[in-house]
Amino acid sequence: KAGVTQTPRYLIKTRGQQVTLSCSPISGHRSVSWYQQTPGQGLQFLFEYFSETQRNKGNFPGRFSGRQFSNSRSEMNVSTLELGDSALYLCASSLVGLADYEQYFGPGTRLTVT
Amino acid sequence: AQTVTQSQPEMSVQEAETVTLSCTYDTSESDYYLFWYKQPPSRQMILVIRQEAYKQQNATENRFSVNFQKAAKSFSLKISDSQLGDAAMYFCAYRVSSGSRLTFGEGTQLTVNP
Repeated sequence: KAGVTQTPRYLIKTRGQQVTLSCSPISGHRSVSWYQQTPGQGLQFLFEYFSETQRNKGNFPGRFSGRQFSNSRSEMNVSTLELGDSALYLCASSLVGLADYEQYFGPGTRLTVT
Repeated sequence: AQTVTQSQPEMSVQEAETVTLSCTYDTSESDYYLFWYKQPPSRQMILVIRQEAYKQQNATENRFSVNFQKAAKSFSLKISDSQLGDAAMYFCAYRVSSGSRLTFGEGTQLTVNP
């Protein structure tokens, strides 16, 4: 089985722009979670989608949004980019998103905001 | 709110020796899972080992084992016969059984010296 894929792998944007990141889960997985990793804040949960519905949300401003499509692929969008949004964005997929089902992480998208 | 603390920002070990990474957590939940993830320079997050809180027996995966002390809310990782490929950032993580959100510690950077 192919693993979790994230595109693009690297991205450079300018402050004020918006960006969309994509995550394709492992085939058959219906849960996709997103995390932000920065040197200062560490790994923080953004949100989780299951069967096209946002099921859980972390403590991030409304500029961060996401969605999930019927094929379980997920996108996250960040509007009005700030310098502090520079981070590694990881997504993880799971069969059903319950704790006894392992989460598999993708390689991440490195976003740099200048 | 659940918190996870890793008090060792950096650790080093000689090849073939044993090293223990520490983790403490705080939660009011009774049903949860604990994890150790490895993040090598490639940034791909890899699950090393997991422990269900309801299980008294400590989890073991080949050279990796944990010491789970539920009353003390402690969850340490022991790596035996350390190998150069074990060098990575190690994250301790918590997840309530009914949820999908992972709460991560700050990480411990492990160096393996030849």
